[in-house]
Amino acid sequence: ETGVTQTPRHLVMGMTNKKSLKCEQHLGHNAMYWYKQSAKKPLELMFVYSLEERVENNSVPSRFSPECPNSSHLFLHLHTLQPEDSALYLCASSQGLAVSQFFGPGTRLTVL
Amino acid sequence: GESVGLHLPTLSVQEGDNSIINCAYSNSASDYFIWYKQESGKGPQFIIDIRSNMDKRQGQRVTVLLNKTVKHLSLQIAATQPGDSAVYFCAETGSGGSNYKLTFGKGTLLTVNP
Repeated sequence: ETGVTQTPRHLVMGMTNKKSLKCEQHLGHNAMYWYKQSAKKPLELMFVYSLEERVENNSVPSRFSPECPNSSHLFLHLHTLQPEDSALYLCASSQGLAVSQFFGPGTRLTVL
Repeated sequence: GESVGLHLPTLSVQEGDNSIINCAYSNSASDYFIWYKQESGKGPQFIIDIRSNMDKRQGQRVTVLLNKTVKHLSLQIAATQPGDSAVYFCAETGSGGSNYKLTFGKGTLLTVNP
């Protein structure tokens, strides 16, 4: 594997389900990011981790819970989501907190 | 609040022509401005950035122009190819230690006709 990978690529869940999104970076980076990309809205920064410590929570509802167990892996735990949370969730990484960020292909999430 | 926006949601060009994608920004304190390309089914891909103290920066077939007087950013693609078809986003960074905080525009869909 190279670059930034995300699994699953597609996910459909009900509002009462609990699911997790996984991101793995193979670039030796030490900062990782979660972004949300909704239809007709700009890409929005959600969370930022640097050296496995959360440094940014961009006013994200508590039904989204990030986890960064090591510098290569990032998770986004989801529970009791709303239909408006349906979006493409993108993970990115960088060397240090940097301008140049490398994105994964995203997980397309649909909440029914 | 601060925002980054794009003038044109779609742009259609003929193969071989030059393309110009425009962007307006509002945060004059941003340290960098960046262009990303997103192809269908993929994540955004970094194209080029420009520091706020520069007016122009060139890459391979791409040039970014920054006009701080009118807070305008543009991406020029020379000899546009079918592989350039994608959504292009401009983004601005925070300032100082917040450079990693990217604020994105809505995107422009570039379609290259053969």
